[in-house]
Amino acid sequence: GAVVSQHPSWVICKSGTSVKIECRSLDFQATTMFWYRQFPKQSLMLMATSNEGSKATYEQGVEKDKFLINHASLTLSTLTVTSAHPEDSSFYICSAHRGADYNSPLHFGNGTRLTVT
Amino acid sequence: DQQVKQNSPSLSVQEGRISILNCDYTNSMFDYFLWYKKYPAEGPTFLISISSIKDKNEDGRFTVFLNKSAKHLSLHIVPSQPGDSAVYFCAATGTSYGKLTFGQGTILTVHP
Repeated sequence: GAVVSQHPSWVICKSGTSVKIECRSLDFQATTMFWYRQFPKQSLMLMATSNEGSKATYEQGVEKDKFLINHASLTLSTLTVTSAHPEDSSFYICSAHRGADYNSPLHFGNGTRLTVT
Repeated sequence: DQQVKQNSPSLSVQEGRISILNCDYTNSMFDYFLWYKKYPAEGPTFLISISSIKDKNEDGRFTVFLNKSAKHLSLHIVPSQPGDSAVYFCAATGTSYGKLTFGQGTILTVHP
Protein backbone atom coordinates (compact mmCIF):
# COMPACT_ATOMS: atom_id res chain seq x y z
CA GLY A 1 0.00 0.00 0.00
CA ALA A 2 0.89 3.66 -0.22
CA VAL A 3 3.54 4.85 2.18
CA VAL A 4 3.38 8.52 1.20
CA SER A 5 0.10 10.39 0.93
CA GLN A 6 -0.35 13.66 -0.91
CA HIS A 7 -3.30 16.04 -0.87
CA PRO A 8 -5.00 17.39 -2.87
CA SER A 9 -4.61 15.23 -5.96
CA TRP A 10 -5.61 18.12 -8.17
CA VAL A 11 -6.34 21.80 -7.73
CA ILE A 12 -7.34 24.67 -9.97
CA CYS A 13 -6.65 28.19 -8.82
CA LYS A 14 -6.66 31.69 -10.18
CA SER A 15 -3.52 33.68 -10.91
CA GLY A 16 -2.25 35.52 -7.88
CA THR A 17 -3.63 33.13 -5.31
CA SER A 18 -1.69 30.68 -3.16
CA VAL A 19 -2.07 26.95 -3.02
CA LYS A 20 -0.92 24.58 -0.29
CA ILE A 21 -0.03 20.96 -0.98
CA GLU A 22 0.37 18.47 1.85
CA CYS A 23 2.63 15.44 1.94
CA ARG A 24 2.33 12.89 4.71
CA SER A 25 4.40 9.84 5.49
CA LEU A 26 2.12 7.02 6.54
CA ASP A 27 3.11 4.89 9.56
CA PHE A 28 6.69 6.07 9.49
CA GLN A 29 8.63 9.18 10.37
CA ALA A 30 10.41 11.13 7.70
CA THR A 31 12.94 13.71 8.82
CA THR A 32 13.56 14.51 5.18
CA MET A 33 11.11 14.75 2.33
CA PHE A 34 11.70 15.74 -1.25
CA TRP A 35 9.56 17.80 -3.59
CA TYR A 36 9.68 17.14 -7.31
CA ARG A 37 7.93 18.76 -10.24
CA GLN A 38 7.06 17.35 -13.61
CA PHE A 39 6.07 19.48 -16.58
CA PRO A 40 4.06 17.83 -19.35
CA LYS A 41 6.07 15.25 -21.27
CA GLN A 42 9.16 16.04 -19.29
CA SER A 43 11.13 14.34 -16.58
CA LEU A 44 10.75 14.76 -12.85
CA MET A 45 12.94 17.52 -11.48
CA LEU A 46 13.92 17.91 -7.85
CA MET A 47 12.77 21.25 -6.48
CA ALA A 48 13.78 21.14 -2.86
CA THR A 49 14.65 19.02 0.13
CA SER A 50 12.37 19.50 3.09
CA ASN A 51 14.03 19.08 6.48
CA GLU A 52 12.04 18.61 9.66
CA GLY A 53 12.62 21.46 12.06
CA SER A 54 14.87 23.46 9.78
CA LYS A 55 14.88 25.35 6.52
CA ALA A 56 14.37 23.62 3.24
CA THR A 57 17.19 23.32 0.75
CA TYR A 58 16.27 24.51 -2.73
CA GLU A 59 17.74 23.39 -6.01
CA GLN A 60 19.29 25.92 -8.32
CA GLY A 61 16.72 27.95 -10.16
CA VAL A 62 13.88 27.29 -7.72
CA GLU A 63 12.56 30.42 -6.00
CA LYS A 64 12.36 29.80 -2.28
CA ASP A 65 10.03 32.75 -1.74
CA LYS A 66 7.62 31.42 -4.29
CA PHE A 67 7.66 27.80 -3.21
CA LEU A 68 7.39 27.85 0.56
CA ILE A 69 8.16 24.59 2.29
CA ASN A 70 7.29 23.81 5.87
CA HIS A 71 8.22 20.55 7.58
CA ALA A 72 6.78 21.07 11.03
CA SER A 73 6.44 17.45 12.04
CA LEU A 74 8.07 14.12 11.30
CA THR A 75 5.14 13.03 9.16
CA LEU A 76 4.08 16.19 7.35
CA SER A 77 5.68 18.52 4.83
CA THR A 78 3.77 21.23 3.00
CA LEU A 79 4.55 23.07 -0.20
CA THR A 80 2.82 26.40 -0.74
CA VAL A 81 2.90 27.91 -4.20
CA THR A 82 2.53 31.62 -3.56
CA SER A 83 1.13 34.14 -6.02
CA ALA A 84 0.60 31.39 -8.54
CA HIS A 85 0.97 32.07 -12.24
CA PRO A 86 -0.06 29.94 -15.23
CA GLU A 87 3.58 28.88 -15.72
CA ASP A 88 3.44 27.25 -12.29
CA SER A 89 0.92 24.78 -13.65
CA SER A 90 2.59 21.43 -13.24
CA PHE A 91 2.49 18.07 -11.51
CA TYR A 92 4.02 18.33 -8.03
CA ILE A 93 5.15 15.15 -6.31
CA CYS A 94 6.56 14.62 -2.85
CA SER A 95 8.65 11.70 -1.70
CA ALA A 96 10.31 10.26 1.37
CA HIS A 97 12.48 7.42 2.51
CA ARG A 98 10.69 4.90 4.63
CA GLY A 99 12.12 4.88 8.11
CA ALA A 100 15.72 5.74 8.83
CA ASP A 101 17.23 3.47 6.23
CA TYR A 102 18.58 5.85 3.64
CA ASN A 103 19.59 2.93 1.51
CA SER A 104 15.94 2.21 0.89
CA PRO A 105 14.43 3.60 -2.29
CA LEU A 106 12.45 6.77 -2.39
CA HIS A 107 8.68 6.37 -2.14
CA PHE A 108 6.55 8.89 -3.96
CA GLY A 109 3.13 10.28 -3.26
CA ASN A 110 0.50 10.26 -5.98
CA GLY A 111 1.21 13.83 -6.93
CA THR A 112 -0.83 17.01 -7.19
CA ARG A 113 -1.91 18.39 -10.53
CA LEU A 114 -1.91 22.18 -10.24
CA THR A 115 -3.62 24.26 -12.90
CA VAL A 116 -3.39 28.03 -12.62
CA THR A 117 -5.89 29.95 -14.71
CA ASP B 1 22.57 19.29 -19.41
CA GLN B 2 20.72 15.99 -19.33
CA GLN B 3 22.78 13.76 -17.05
CA VAL B 4 20.43 10.81 -17.38
CA LYS B 5 19.05 10.02 -20.79
CA GLN B 6 16.46 7.63 -22.05
CA ASN B 7 16.77 7.94 -25.78
CA SER B 8 13.73 5.87 -26.69
CA PRO B 9 10.54 7.84 -26.02
CA SER B 10 8.44 4.74 -26.56
CA LEU B 11 8.61 0.97 -26.89
CA SER B 12 5.97 -1.45 -28.10
CA VAL B 13 6.19 -5.15 -27.21
CA GLN B 14 4.00 -8.20 -27.62
CA GLU B 15 2.70 -9.87 -24.49
CA GLY B 16 5.01 -12.65 -23.33
CA ARG B 17 8.06 -11.23 -25.04
CA ILE B 18 10.94 -9.39 -23.43
CA SER B 19 10.89 -5.62 -22.91
CA ILE B 20 14.27 -3.91 -22.79
CA LEU B 21 14.41 -0.32 -21.64
CA ASN B 22 17.68 1.54 -21.87
CA CYS B 23 19.24 4.40 -19.97
CA ASP B 24 22.54 6.25 -20.29
CA TYR B 25 24.19 8.57 -17.84
CA THR B 26 27.09 10.97 -17.99
CA ASN B 27 27.90 11.77 -14.37
CA SER B 28 30.67 9.51 -13.06
CA MET B 29 29.68 10.34 -9.51
CA PHE B 30 26.40 8.44 -9.80
CA ASP B 31 26.67 5.22 -7.83
CA TYR B 32 23.09 4.13 -7.30
CA PHE B 33 20.49 3.62 -9.98
CA LEU B 34 16.79 2.99 -9.85
CA TRP B 35 13.89 2.25 -12.14
CA TYR B 36 10.43 3.63 -11.51
CA LYS B 37 7.12 2.94 -13.20
CA LYS B 38 4.56 5.70 -13.55
CA TYR B 39 0.96 5.88 -14.61
CA PRO B 40 -0.62 9.19 -15.69
CA ALA B 41 -1.62 11.46 -12.81
CA GLU B 42 0.12 9.22 -10.29
CA GLY B 43 3.45 9.31 -8.55
CA PRO B 44 6.27 6.98 -9.62
CA THR B 45 6.36 3.50 -8.13
CA PHE B 46 9.71 1.96 -7.31
CA LEU B 47 10.57 -1.16 -9.31
CA ILE B 48 14.17 -2.13 -8.82
CA SER B 49 17.55 -0.63 -8.06
CA ILE B 50 21.22 -1.42 -8.44
CA SER B 51 24.34 -0.22 -6.74
CA SER B 52 27.44 0.54 -8.73
CA ILE B 53 29.25 -2.34 -7.05
CA LYS B 54 27.01 -4.76 -8.90
CA ASP B 55 26.36 -5.36 -12.57
CA LYS B 56 23.06 -7.17 -12.26
CA ASN B 57 20.10 -7.25 -9.94
CA GLU B 58 17.06 -9.42 -10.40
CA ASP B 59 13.62 -9.30 -8.84
CA GLY B 60 11.01 -11.58 -10.31
CA ARG B 61 10.30 -10.57 -13.88
CA PHE B 62 12.51 -7.50 -13.60
CA THR B 63 16.27 -7.48 -14.08
CA VAL B 64 18.48 -4.43 -14.16
CA PHE B 65 21.91 -4.55 -15.78
CA LEU B 66 24.60 -1.97 -15.19
CA ASN B 67 27.61 -1.40 -17.44
CA LYS B 68 29.72 1.14 -15.63
CA SER B 69 32.36 1.47 -18.29
CA ALA B 70 29.70 2.37 -20.84
CA LYS B 71 27.67 4.36 -18.32
CA HIS B 72 24.64 2.41 -19.39
CA LEU B 73 21.90 0.54 -17.64
CA SER B 74 18.96 -1.41 -18.87
CA LEU B 75 15.78 -2.86 -17.47
CA HIS B 76 14.59 -6.22 -18.75
CA ILE B 77 11.03 -7.31 -18.19
CA VAL B 78 10.27 -10.89 -19.06
CA PRO B 79 7.69 -12.03 -19.78
CA SER B 80 6.01 -8.71 -20.53
CA GLN B 81 2.38 -8.32 -19.52
CA PRO B 82 -0.26 -5.79 -20.60
CA GLY B 83 -0.31 -4.47 -17.04
CA ASP B 84 3.31 -3.42 -17.50
CA SER B 85 2.19 -0.71 -19.90
CA ALA B 86 3.26 2.58 -18.32
CA VAL B 87 6.01 5.17 -18.41
CA TYR B 88 9.33 3.91 -17.09
CA PHE B 89 11.87 6.29 -15.62
CA CYS B 90 15.44 5.51 -14.79
CA ALA B 91 17.01 7.59 -12.05
CA ALA B 92 20.45 8.00 -10.57
CA THR B 93 22.08 9.50 -7.55
CA GLY B 94 25.53 9.92 -6.14
CA THR B 95 25.03 12.21 -3.19
CA SER B 96 21.80 11.61 -1.42
CA TYR B 97 19.35 8.81 -1.98
CA GLY B 98 16.60 11.39 -2.06
CA LYS B 99 18.16 13.61 -4.68
CA LEU B 100 17.45 11.65 -7.80
CA THR B 101 18.19 12.71 -11.34
CA PHE B 102 15.60 11.26 -13.67
CA GLY B 103 15.65 10.41 -17.32
CA GLN B 104 12.91 11.60 -19.62
CA GLY B 105 10.99 8.37 -19.44
CA THR B 106 10.05 5.66 -21.94
CA ILE B 107 6.45 4.80 -22.66
CA LEU B 108 6.10 1.02 -22.71
CA THR B 109 3.08 -0.50 -24.39
CA VAL B 110 2.56 -4.24 -24.10
CA HIS B 111 0.04 -5.57 -26.59
CA PRO B 112 -2.09 -8.60 -25.74
